[in-house]
Amino acid sequence: AQTVTQSQPEMSVQEAETVTLSCTYDTSESDYYLFWYKQPPSRQMILVIRQEAYKQQNATENRFSVNFQKAAKSFSLKISDSQLGDAAMYFCALALYGGATNKLIFGTGTLLAVQP
Amino acid sequence: EPEVTQTPSHQVTQMGQEVILRCVPISNHLYFYWYRQILGQKVEFLVSFYNNEISEKSEIFDDQFSVERPDGSNFTLKIRSTKLEDSAMYFCASSDSLDSWGYEQYFGPGTRLTVT
Repeated sequence: AQTVTQSQPEMSVQEAETVTLSCTYDTSESDYYLFWYKQPPSRQMILVIRQEAYKQQNATENRFSVNFQKAAKSFSLKISDSQLGDAAMYFCALALYGGATNKLIFGTGTLLAVQP
Repeated sequence: EPEVTQTPSHQVTQMGQEVILRCVPISNHLYFYWYRQILGQKVEFLVSFYNNEISEKSEIFDDQFSVERPDGSNFTLKIRSTKLEDSAMYFCASSDSLDSWGYEQYFGPGTRLTVT
């Protein structure tokens, strides 16, 4: 069975500073995707960034980047130059590749507060 | 930009009543999903649907639940006899492929179901 663990229920960061959200996962499969989703107060799930397990290079999307450590099964999200609009719940998620379905397995989330 | 839509945004129902939650996936997508999120908890996979049949379902998706794609655009989740513990946010998602790297599930805004 696959599991995703987010050990930080809440985090806080000052505007313009950098914050890192942690995520670890467990799977016996070698081919999978990892994702970070953002859920603002509106509750809409928004994809922030994704990483293919076969790629060694860490994904980057503007101010968002990941540190993917496959051997350690770690997938952290770094937000640089934090903005007030980054305040949200962040979910780490895992999906296996090549199965009958690509269901997402989510962690419990990290609530990020951005202080002005 | 194409988006997944869901109706209603909020549904209040009495215990034991049937409810149907509706979703319109992105038009060229082939894979459809329902997830639920009990308030304050993580997002959980319910069911995936492809080619007019269920491809995978979780243990949550018991005989009280059913899904249907009644026409070429709608994707519905029916709960036959609602229970208090069915109160949650229900998210619909769709994707266009299982095979290509970089696939993404697009989420709708959710339907908040309140069972009284």
